[in-house]
Amino acid sequence: AQTVTQSQPEMSVQEAETVTLSCTYDTSENNYYLFWYKQPPSRQMILVIRQEAYKQQNATENRFSVNFQKAAKSFSLKISDSQLGDTAMYFCAFIESGGYQKVTFGTGTKLQVIP
Amino acid sequence: DVKVTQSSRYLVKRTGEKVFLECVQDMDHENMFWYRQDPGLGLRLIYFSYDVKMKEKGDIPEGYSVSREKKERFSLILESASTNQTSMYLCASSLQVLQFYGYTFGSGTRLTVV
Repeated sequence: AQTVTQSQPEMSVQEAETVTLSCTYDTSENNYYLFWYKQPPSRQMILVIRQEAYKQQNATENRFSVNFQKAAKSFSLKISDSQLGDTAMYFCAFIESGGYQKVTFGTGTKLQVIP
Repeated sequence: DVKVTQSSRYLVKRTGEKVFLECVQDMDHENMFWYRQDPGLGLRLIYFSYDVKMKEKGDIPEGYSVSREKKERFSLILESASTNQTSMYLCASSLQVLQFYGYTFGSGTRLTVV
């Protein structure tokens, strides 16, 4: 079974600074997708960024980028120029290609952006 | 704006009650999912459905059942609520296509069983 590990339960960052959230996963599959989801306080979970395993290039979405290291099974999220609205729980998630689209989530990292 | 709607944001129920959590999506998605979210445990899959009247157990199905009579609606049922089912419940849906683009989530139902 696939597992996703987020080793940082809580983190904080000063506004306008850069922060990196860590995620490692374990799988024997070669084709899969990785995601970062954001859950603001009392609000809906939304997709931040998506990475296809067969693509070498790291995904980016505005201030959000990932460092995908397939051999190391590592998938970290970098948030640049942190904003107060980035305060949220962040979940790393994994799904293998094909099948029933069951996503495996990590335990989450609570990020606090400090003014 | 596409949506996954969960009928209740907060619910308080008594131990032993039968509880229904409703989820409706308007995106014509084939797949629907129920997760529970607990601090330190992340999201754990309870049940999912890939078609009308079809259901599959997730990782923690004990004490739960589901119903999917229509494509847009997926209900989670707690047959006899217990205090250890106090949790945040998240519904999600996704389109069955070759490339997976992620789930769309509802806003969640925070259930307290007393």
